[in-house]
Amino acid sequence: DQQVKQNSPSLSVQEGRISILNCDYTNSMFDYFLWYKKYPAEGPTFLISISSIKDKNEDGRFTVFLNKSAKHLSLHIVPSQPGDSAVYFCAGHSGTYKYIFGTGTRLKVLA
Amino acid sequence: GAGVSQSPSNKVTEKGKDVELRCDPISGHTALYWYRQRLGQGLEFLIYFQGNSAPDKSGLPSDRFSAERTGESVSTLTIQRTQQEDSAVYLCASSLAGTSGRNEQFFGPGTRLTVL
Repeated sequence: DQQVKQNSPSLSVQEGRISILNCDYTNSMFDYFLWYKKYPAEGPTFLISISSIKDKNEDGRFTVFLNKSAKHLSLHIVPSQPGDSAVYFCAGHSGTYKYIFGTGTRLKVLA
Repeated sequence: GAGVSQSPSNKVTEKGKDVELRCDPISGHTALYWYRQRLGQGLEFLIYFQGNSAPDKSGLPSDRFSAERTGESVSTLTIQRTQQEDSAVYLCASSLAGTSGRNEQFFGPGTRLTVL
C-alpha cells in the first residue's frame, strides 16, 4: 500500500516559468508534510514543510499547498531556475519519526 | 564536518558476501534512521534509532539485515549473505529528536551498494 504517491515521474519546465509538483496521500493520520530535493550523488535536503492545520506555506520562491479534503499537496516553484533541476520527494508523517516518502518527481528546468 | 557522513560511498560485492555500511550522524542528534532507495523507487524506511536503542526495526527486509548504534553516535548497517536484490543506495539520516513537530531529518550522501 503506497501511502504517498507522486504520479508524475518527470517534469520539464522553461526557466522563469512556474513548476508545479504534485503529491497525493492516503493516510489521513499524517499531520506534517515535507518536500525534499535531491541532486545526483547527494542525499536529500529539506526544502519546505507544511503542518496539516495549514493550507499554505511559503518560503521565497517555494510554496506548498495542502488540500486535506482531496488528500493532495503541491509544491510550486516560481520562477523556476536551472539550479532547481533535481528530484523532488514529498513525505508525510503522523507526528512520529517515520517519514513515508513518495517515489519522487524529476524536475528539469530548461534554460 | 557538520553534516551526516556515510562510508563507503560505493561498495561492489559478490553475492553471498557480508557488507557493513557506516553512518556518522550530526553531533547531538539523538535520532538516526536508515533508508533504502532502489532504482526508480522512493525512499524505503528500514530502521529508527533513538539513542542506542532501536524501537522500530519494522522496515528491515529480512533477518539478513541488522543495524546497531553505539555511543549515541555512529551506526552500522550490516547485510549478511548479500543478494542481488539488495543493490540500492542506502541512506542514513539524523534528527534532533524522533518525535513531534516538523522533525526535520538531515540525510547523508548515501552508500551505493552493487551486488554482482
